[in-house]
Amino acid sequence: EDQVTQSPEALRLQEGESSSLNCSYTVSGLRGLFWYRQDPGKGPEFLFTLYSAGEEKEKERLKATLTKKESFLHITAPKPEDSATYLCAVQATGNKLIFGAGTRLAVHP
Amino acid sequence: DGGITQSPKYLFRKEGQNVTLSCEQNLNHDAMYWYRQDPGQGLRLIYYSQIVNDFQKGDIAEGYSVSREKKESFPLTVTSAQKNPTAFYLCASSIAAANTGELFFGEGSRLTVL
Repeated sequence: EDQVTQSPEALRLQEGESSSLNCSYTVSGLRGLFWYRQDPGKGPEFLFTLYSAGEEKEKERLKATLTKKESFLHITAPKPEDSATYLCAVQATGNKLIFGAGTRLAVHP
Repeated sequence: DGGITQSPKYLFRKEGQNVTLSCEQNLNHDAMYWYRQDPGQGLRLIYYSQIVNDFQKGDIAEGYSVSREKKESFPLTVTSAQKNPTAFYLCASSIAAANTGELFFGEGSRLTVL
């Protein structure tokens, strides 16, 4: 069964304390892996697409990487405005999109 | 500014009532989607439409209905047959059905059953 698991469920960081969020997946025929940011009470905002193992994408303090089994979202020197829920989604064969439950990130000054 | 507009933002429903959530986009996107978000769970697909006058069931379509009479509009009706409708509902669109991973989302509608 296709599955996407994100860890940890919640993460608390001090401002400037770098860390990583994990998205592990088991799908048949990966077509793409997607990261989104969701602020409370809002819709998700698209961040990155990764297509193949070894690929990396960067945006400001965020860097997403992909292996054959998982993706990491690295947050370097985070600021309080990076606080949000980060969602991972995997597109499998047949275009079905499977979302993980997300990681709630809180960055404190 | 282009985007997706969902309304209402908050909605309360009594038992046995049907309610309709509005979703309008001005991005000229072909594909539109409805997702449901519950605490501790990933987004689940309710219905999607790749073209006007055509739509397909997603993973949790029971108790919901949709229409796609215009490219810009994709309303969702939550019927009385949906046994647990309290949730956050998200409408999304994509340029084409093939790009189903890169979605543009609306701000969401929170439905509460009284």
